[in-house]
Parts: sequence; C-alpha cells; structure tokens
Amino acid sequence: DSGVTQTPKHLITATGQRVTLRCSPRSGDLSVYWYQQSLDQGLQFLIQYYNGEERAKGNILERFSAQQFPDLHSELNLSSLELGDSALYFCASSVDAGMNKETQYFGPGTRLLVL
Amino acid sequence: DAKTTQPPSMDCAEGRAANLPCNHSTISGNEYVYWYRQIHSQGPQYIIHGLKNNETNEMASLIITEDRKSSTLILPHATLRDTAVYYCIVRVGDTGNQFYFGTGTSLTVIP
Repeated sequence: DSGVTQTPKHLITATGQRVTLRCSPRSGDLSVYWYQQSLDQGLQFLIQYYNGEERAKGNILERFSAQQFPDLHSELNLSSLELGDSALYFCASSVDAGMNKETQYFGPGTRLLVL
Repeated sequence: DAKTTQPPSMDCAEGRAANLPCNHSTISGNEYVYWYRQIHSQGPQYIIHGLKNNETNEMASLIITEDRKSSTLILPHATLRDTAVYYCIVRVGDTGNQFYFGTGTSLTVIP
C-alpha cells in the first residue's frame, strides 16, 4: 500500500459525458501527479500540482483539467469524453522538497471505460 | 523524447538473479535514475533510485556505470511474484518532476 488513494476504482460512462477522478496524496506529500495509461500509448504524464499550484504540464488534452485543493487532494476532470479516453488513470504523490525527495508513489488507479 | 532505452522483454529462472539493463546516455549530471515496476494493471511500484553510487535496498540493487550512461537493476533471487514490467526512468522537464516511462522491460520469471 503506497498511501495514495484514488476513487472511484472503476467508472463506466458514455461518450460526451463528464467525470471527475479523485486522488488523496500520502500524508506530508505536497505534489500530486496525474498519468494516463492506455493500451497504445503506455504511461503518459498529464499534469503536476505542487501545494495547490500547477507545476508542470504534459500531454493533457484541453478537455481535461485538474486542480489541487487546500487539503492537498486533487481532482482530474475529464469532459466531452471520447472512446479513446478509455484508460487507466493513475495519481502519484511526492514530497517534492528537493532533488532527493522526488520519488513518486502511485495510487491503485481508476479504470475509465467510455462506451 | 525517449531518455531511456530498455530491452522489451526478458526471462529469468526462479531463484536466479535477474539483471535488467537500461541505457540513459543523455542523462544530466544531477539527474537521478529511478526504477519502478508495474504488475498487471496495478499502480507502478517504486523499487530504487540512485545518482552515481551503487544502491541497495530490501528489494533490489542498482548498479550505475561510472559515466552514468547506463545502469542495471538486479533482483538477487527472482520469484514468480517479480513477473512485471520494469521501467527505468530519468526525470524530464526543466520544471516540475514529471517522469517519462518509456516502454519498459517485461520480465517473466519462469518456474
């Protein structure tokens, strides 16, 4: 158990819909990361938040957005869903307080199926 | 923008050492090398990381070459539960801390 929690575990929805994925980081971790893993793309970095502020952006679509709240939990919002958005979505967290504190600990993931 | 290169698959006999190589020839002087593994579709699991000295923990050993252009993850006594995809990662980006996972090595431990 990494200490990172994600809800829900599974999500089934229809094209065009909007969903929200939730992540709670490990106690004491200030950074939260979101990754997408699809069959044809592998694990891809989407976005990082540090202490409530966006720190880095990866291959995140404009239909996707994220935020980190004062209690440090994070939500990933996916809108206008398409079949190709079906994937595993992982959240990770790290202390992010220096070069030797960048180890990321991953949650169990949310499996999204868009029908 | 692949920063690491790994063989796509490897087999290892149960009880033997598994040696997983990784090339990271463009690594910068202050970048760490991280190893993670993913079993089935579970969340990636942290194994070990290092800068230039060899590292060992309860899971594995990490050997980094002197020029830091390659490294080897060693699982000293592989078990069936070590069957997984192993990722060698170097942090990318000038800001932030995003990992580039690449395709990894699929390790199969054979009874």
